[in-house]
Amino acid sequence: GNSVTQMEGPVTLSEEAFLTINCTYTATGYPSLFWYVQYPGEGLQLLLKATKADDKGSNKGFEATYRKETTSFHLEKGSVQVSDSAVYFCAPQKSNTNAGKSTFGDGTTLTVKP
Amino acid sequence: EPEVTQTPSHQVTQMGQEVILRCVPISNHLYFYWYRQILGQKVEFLVSFYNNEISEKSEIFDDQFSVERPDGSNFTLKIRSTKLEDSAMYFCASRDGQGSSRDTQYFGPGTRLTVL
Repeated sequence: GNSVTQMEGPVTLSEEAFLTINCTYTATGYPSLFWYVQYPGEGLQLLLKATKADDKGSNKGFEATYRKETTSFHLEKGSVQVSDSAVYFCAPQKSNTNAGKSTFGDGTTLTVKP
Repeated sequence: EPEVTQTPSHQVTQMGQEVILRCVPISNHLYFYWYRQILGQKVEFLVSFYNNEISEKSEIFDDQFSVERPDGSNFTLKIRSTKLEDSAMYFCASRDGQGSSRDTQYFGPGTRLTVL
C-alpha cells in the first residue's frame, strides 16, 4: 500500500518568506498526489493535485510537482501570508481502483507571523 | 458549487451507545469514503464504498463499524457500541470517478464525535 513521509513541523515563517514542505511517498503503481489544507477549526480542503509524472499542481500561489524519479511532491510557495497559517497534509491516492483511498501524511503545521 | 454535507456537526454520546453519522455526498458521485482524525493527529482512512458494497476497509474498521447507503443520497457510518477512543472528527468524502476530476475526493466539513 501507499505510505507518505511529510516534513515535520511546526514551521514558523515571517510574512513574504519562501515556503517548502517536503513530502515523499512509497506506492505501488502510480498514485495521484494531493495536498490538502486544514485551517483552524475547519475541515479538509483540497489545495492542489497532480495525477501523473512531471505534472505541476498549483493553486493560491502554492505549487507542487509530481517527481516520479524521487517519489516526491514537495509543496512550495514563494511568498507566504498570515492567512496561509494552517495544517498541510500530503496525500497520495490509489488511482484506477474501486477503492481509491487516500493515505495522509502526519501534517505540517505552518504559522506565518506578520 | 455542489458540496458534501455532514450531520450532525457535533455528536456527544455515552460509552456503549450506538451512533449514526450521516453524510450526503455530491449527487452524481460513485465512490464514497469515511476517514477519521483524532484530535491533533493525522487523518486515517476507515472505509471506501462503491457499487453498494465496501471496496476496502482499514484495520480500524472492525465489527463495531458499518456503512450503508440506504436511499441513494445518504451515506451513513454506524458505530454500534462506542468507546472512548472513538472520539474523533469523522470526515465523509465522495469522488466522481469519471471525467477530468475523477481522482478528486471532496470532503465534507466533518462530524466531531465525543464519547464520554
